[in-house]
Amino acid sequence: DGGITQSPKYLFRKEGQNVTLSCEQNLNHDAMYWYRQDPGQGLRLIYYSQIVNDFQKGDIAEGYSVSREKKESFPLTVTSAQKNPTAFYLCASRYVGGGQPQHFGDGTRLSIL
Amino acid sequence: QKEVEQNSGPLSVPEGAIASLNCTYSDRGSQSFFWYRQYSGKSPELIMSIYSNGDKEDGRFTAQLNKASQYVSLLIRDSQPSDSATYLCAVSRSYNTDKLIFGTGTRLQVFP
Repeated sequence: DGGITQSPKYLFRKEGQNVTLSCEQNLNHDAMYWYRQDPGQGLRLIYYSQIVNDFQKGDIAEGYSVSREKKESFPLTVTSAQKNPTAFYLCASRYVGGGQPQHFGDGTRLSIL
Repeated sequence: QKEVEQNSGPLSVPEGAIASLNCTYSDRGSQSFFWYRQYSGKSPELIMSIYSNGDKEDGRFTAQLNKASQYVSLLIRDSQPSDSATYLCAVSRSYNTDKLIFGTGTRLQVFP
């Protein structure tokens, strides 16, 4: 089945630790995105990538890093510099052009130990 | 003023009624508009997309866009308890949709 797979579903981070969230898609989508959702707030864009080996900062990129070495994969690293990482992280992807919408994975819920 | 505004609700409607969800946006240059449904603890699911002024219907859902007044709405006919969720409005300045601006969502409750 085609889709967007995020793992793990739940993740716990210790103080000072970097953690990496996985996002894989087999939809042959060109663009991929990472969002953060906090309770009672809308989704906020962290990073996005339209093509392999290229990505752009979103509105809240500080404390996060990404890579796009393969079209199918767009992992997000939450670094120790991100002081308030507890949130629901959502990965999305879409075909580029023509007003194509973004589709979301199931999300990863990150908490601080 | 927020870029995309929605009433947080909850909007409570009886089963079988029409639920009307509204969204206003501030950027007159916005071109693409989307409605997502998000069940509690789950990820957003695309329901409707609309790009031109007027109505677009898909089953029990109708999206309405008025660019002059800068609002987009979602009507749900014959509301069912399974429609109870938070509905997110998302707006993009271009057809490129690389940067979607999301509203905070309206929580809909459909009671039997």
